Amino acid sequence: EDQVTQSPEALRLQEGESSSLNCSYTVSGLRGLFWYRQDPGKGPEFLFTLYSAGEEKEKERLKATLTKKESFLHITAPKPEDSATYLCAVQASFWGKLQFGAGTQVVVTP
Amino acid sequence: IAGITQAPTSQILAAGRRMTLRCTQDMRHNAMYWYRQDLGLGLRLIHYSNTAGTTGKGEVPDGYSVSRANTDDFPLTLASAVPSQTSVYFCASSVGTGGYNEQFFGPGTRLTVL
Repeated sequence: EDQVTQSPEALRLQEGESSSLNCSYTVSGLRGLFWYRQDPGKGPEFLFTLYSAGEEKEKERLKATLTKKESFLHITAPKPEDSATYLCAVQASFWGKLQFGAGTQVVVTP
Repeated sequence: IAGITQAPTSQILAAGRRMTLRCTQDMRHNAMYWYRQDLGLGLRLIHYSNTAGTTGKGEVPDGYSVSRANTDDFPLTLASAVPSQTSVYFCASSVGTGGYNEQFFGPGTRLTVL
């Protein structure tokens, strides 16, 4: 059975304190790994798709990387507006079903 | 309309009542999905539709039904609500289902069943 585990569950950072979130997965044939950001009371907002091991993508202070067993979301010099829950999801089958992790709640304090 | 809209925003419902959550997208996406999000469990797929006229069951379909009469609309119906269906419900869509398809989410419906 496909599994996605995110760690830590919660992360509290000082503004400017870089850190990484982890998403480990067990799937039979990864077709894509997705990162989303979710603000309280809102729907998930798409950030990145990673397709193969070694791939990296960046957006502002966020950088996502992918290996054969896990993905990292690096937050460089975070700002309070980076506070959100970050969700990881994997697509293992052709038709597009996503398996989501439980998320990492990030709080960045000034 | 831009993207995905959901209605209502929130609802308190008595157990045993019938309820339909509405979802409309204006992106002409072929595929649509319904998820529920519960604390500590993440997003779980309820039902999906690859294209208008077709639907399928996800991970937690019991107690829910869907229809897809056209490309834009994908309503989710709770025939007889139970307290365990208290959750936040998200509708999503993607261009297709084959290959690599990012899913885009609506703002959600917060449902409380008493």
